[in-house]
Amino acid sequence: DQQVKQNSPSLSVQEGRISILNCDYTNSMFDYFLWYKKYPAEGPTFLISISSIKDKNEDGRFTVFLNKSAKHLSLHIVPSQPGDSAVYFCAGGSGSARQLTFGSGTQLTVLP
Amino acid sequence: EPEVTQTPSHQVTQMGQEVILRCVPISNHLYFYWYRQILGQKVEFLVSFYNNEISEKSEIFDDQFSVERPDGSNFTLKIRSTKLEDSAMYFCASKDESSYNEQFFGPGTRLTVL
Repeated sequence: DQQVKQNSPSLSVQEGRISILNCDYTNSMFDYFLWYKKYPAEGPTFLISISSIKDKNEDGRFTVFLNKSAKHLSLHIVPSQPGDSAVYFCAGGSGSARQLTFGSGTQLTVLP
Repeated sequence: EPEVTQTPSHQVTQMGQEVILRCVPISNHLYFYWYRQILGQKVEFLVSFYNNEISEKSEIFDDQFSVERPDGSNFTLKIRSTKLEDSAMYFCASKDESSYNEQFFGPGTRLTVL
């Protein structure tokens, strides 16, 4: 079951540059998407979400873009900082309070 | 800042034994969840709980699993007879009513079944 896919297992970016993490989904019933960051030995930490009725949501250095026709979303981090190095998961959900379906994650490494 | 807590951080058990994983959700949250992540795999949904009953469960959540909210603060996951394939990180999450979709996760319990 690959309802949410993150095709890049890893990404390396220089400090100060933009990091772009991608996510594709197949379930048309998702009506919101979330990005989580995860450090080793910790639980996922919520970063930013977007409703399916929007195409962009911004919070500080983090912006999520949603292209519903392509069933694709991306997380942009600008500027990238070494502390951003972590595994990033995208997740989709349908209906309030219902389960989240996660992608497999992308390991982001920001090089100083 | 309020956070979800989980105990123990690591649990080692023999196959066939019962384990109880404990979670204290954020205090004003009303929706509770368990997820698990087998090493190298995705985070997978197990069960959600609201108003003292299960609202959703996945195929993974079979008769060997149960959840309980024994008091006003704890939320537990019990595995009656553990199998080797139950070895995973188990994450508890909670959500409040005002937030549409953000679930807040605990640090996880690493369960190792020998």
